[in-house]
Amino acid sequence: QVQLQQWGAGLLKPSETLSLTCAVYGGSFSGYDWNWIRQPPGKGLEWIGEINYGGSTNYNPSLKSRLTISVDTSKNQFSLKVRSVTAADTAKYYCARRLSWRIGGGSSAPGINYVDVWGKGTMVTVSS
Amino acid sequence: SSELTQDPAVSVALGQTVRVTCQGDSLRDYYASWYQQKPGQAPLLVIYGENKRPSAIPDRFSGSNSGNTASLTITGAQAEDEADYYCNSRDNTDNHLIFGGGTKLTVL
Repeated sequence: QVQLQQWGAGLLKPSETLSLTCAVYGGSFSGYDWNWIRQPPGKGLEWIGEINYGGSTNYNPSLKSRLTISVDTSKNQFSLKVRSVTAADTAKYYCARRLSWRIGGGSSAPGINYVDVWGKGTMVTVSS
Repeated sequence: SSELTQDPAVSVALGQTVRVTCQGDSLRDYYASWYQQKPGQAPLLVIYGENKRPSAIPDRFSGSNSGNTASLTITGAQAEDEADYYCNSRDNTDNHLIFGGGTKLTVL
């Protein structure tokens, strides 16, 4: 049973850097995409970005200029940094595992995509 | 980037059937996945692929897909199904993940 354990500072001042880490226990680290997703209070889910075992990243364009997602394969961990935070970055941040493939492998075949394992979430508040 | 559109709220009488829908161009290329979220909890995957359920999800949950629309159906809704439901897909042009805005399901 794969579990994700995440940690990081929960209270930041504007202009500081948000830093969270997620550790993967009980399963393979390779072969998956490791994601960060956030949810502002009372609002919906927003995808932040992802990284794979090889270190390739994919970022939400609206956040890309402030983001760094990195991976430490020796520890089965991946991390998120968001620079220059503002109150708009106040949210619960989740780390999560995503799987995605095309049925039969062809580029025009229907695609399967889902997030099957989630961390418990870390509430991050940005306030002066 | 593509968007996924969901109705903000839906209600259903206890024991009846309800459908939650999700629309977006990316659904022509990738099946939607569906997540249940109860207050204070992380989202929980309930449907993925053409119509697959993780082992812990009751069989009253089912999914369907047609063109640019995906649906989550709960047949015989229970009080514990009251939650927010989110659809999710992947944009095939830039590989970004997309979430719908969520549907609040009330069981009356």
